[in-house]
Amino acid sequence: EPEVTQTPSHQVTQMGQEVILRCVPISNHLYFYWYRQILGQKVEFLVSFYNNEISEKSEIFDDQFSVERPDGSNFTLKIRSTKLEDSAMYFCASSQWGTGDGYGYTFGSGTRLTVV
Amino acid sequence: GIQVEQSPPDLILQEGANSTLRCNFSDSVNNLQWFHQNPWGQLINLFYIPSGTKQNGRLSATTVATERYSLLYISSSQTTDSGVYFCAASFGNEKLTFGTGTRLTIIP
Repeated sequence: EPEVTQTPSHQVTQMGQEVILRCVPISNHLYFYWYRQILGQKVEFLVSFYNNEISEKSEIFDDQFSVERPDGSNFTLKIRSTKLEDSAMYFCASSQWGTGDGYGYTFGSGTRLTVV
Repeated sequence: GIQVEQSPPDLILQEGANSTLRCNFSDSVNNLQWFHQNPWGQLINLFYIPSGTKQNGRLSATTVATERYSLLYISSSQTTDSGVYFCAASFGNEKLTFGTGTRLTIIP
């Protein structure tokens, strides 16, 4: 069964440093997403990406965040200057046609980011 | 956007018991999914079920789209079923919205 792959699985970074979280979506999927889950809380939407541009973003996705699809396979989330409150599990997801396509979203295993 | 509510927030059961988890959503949806978050934090997709009923082993799910709710049934619970169960829904190209989850604890 196709998978969404995320790397690294864990990352510890110092406050103020830049981090890049990487994702390889399922190859024939067209819609890509990042979600975040602070420990013990619900999973929150950050951003969706389609046709090489952001299609929707939440209020959490401020100027310190950016996304990129640098090649035909990778999808990255960059946090420019990390804060303590950015510590969370970050999930990448992909979907074939958006929603309602009969398959839903496929999520990666997540990257646990700890900012110290 | 769509609001998703789950109940109960916590559920503690003996091994072997059956359980029913509920998900209510505020608007029409054409995507509804149930996930199990395991102790390592991974989101395991259980069902894609915008309507109707599906079964997979001891788990089954039913969504009644006209009444805006979905139910997840777990029969003969095992300790490995413990974890947080999330329902998530969306319509059209809107983002997938998650509920706050049900934390299930199965006691041996």
